Amino acid sequence: DVKVTQSSRYLVKRTGEKVFLECVQDMDHENMFWYRQDPGLGLRLIYFSYDVKMKEKGDIPEGYSVSREKKERFSLILESASTNQTSMYLCASSPLARATYSNQPQHFGDGTRLSIL
Amino acid sequence: AQSVTQLGSHVSVSEGALVLLRCNYSSSVPPYLFWYVQYPNQGLQLLLKYTTGATLVKGINGFEAEFKKSETSFHLTKPSAHMSDAAEYFCAVSRPLNTGTASKLTFGTGTRLQVTL
Repeated sequence: DVKVTQSSRYLVKRTGEKVFLECVQDMDHENMFWYRQDPGLGLRLIYFSYDVKMKEKGDIPEGYSVSREKKERFSLILESASTNQTSMYLCASSPLARATYSNQPQHFGDGTRLSIL
Repeated sequence: AQSVTQLGSHVSVSEGALVLLRCNYSSSVPPYLFWYVQYPNQGLQLLLKYTTGATLVKGINGFEAEFKKSETSFHLTKPSAHMSDAAEYFCAVSRPLNTGTASKLTFGTGTRLQVTL
């Protein structure tokens, strides 16, 4: 089974801090994704990566950056945390798509519940 | 552009009753469709997916969904609800990325299923 591991289940940080959320997958997947989940809004894509050192913005990238130095690891960085970034953050991975559309499901970690005080 | 609408943010059923969770999509091309389930304090787990072929798709835990192109729907059903089915359910449609090497998922806003005795 695919295992996607997020380093922290719960995290509390202060406004203005630089925050790192880490995600590791063990299935050699090319694609990795960061989402945030908020009640009534579903999952929204922040950033994704389709290869080492490659990244693209998702739907809500403002206030975030990412790093992918190794294939198995994808980090989400909050450059200067703000209270409106309090949320559940989910990491996911999937294999490389061979076509423009993919029927490959994404595999999710258990999430990090981040509170910014 | 793809979009997903889940009708009803909360659904309550009695144990043993039929579960019906509604999902309608819009897509400019034939879609790939997914249902995910999220149990409390966990990440998302794939229930089932529709790609091509048979329009009735069977998933895990007794769930199934039927793709109806004419109605642009992909409703999730289970004949008899169990207490353990209480969770949040997300419908998602696959959409292409600019890179062409990965597909993103567009998620609905989720339906929370409550199962009562």
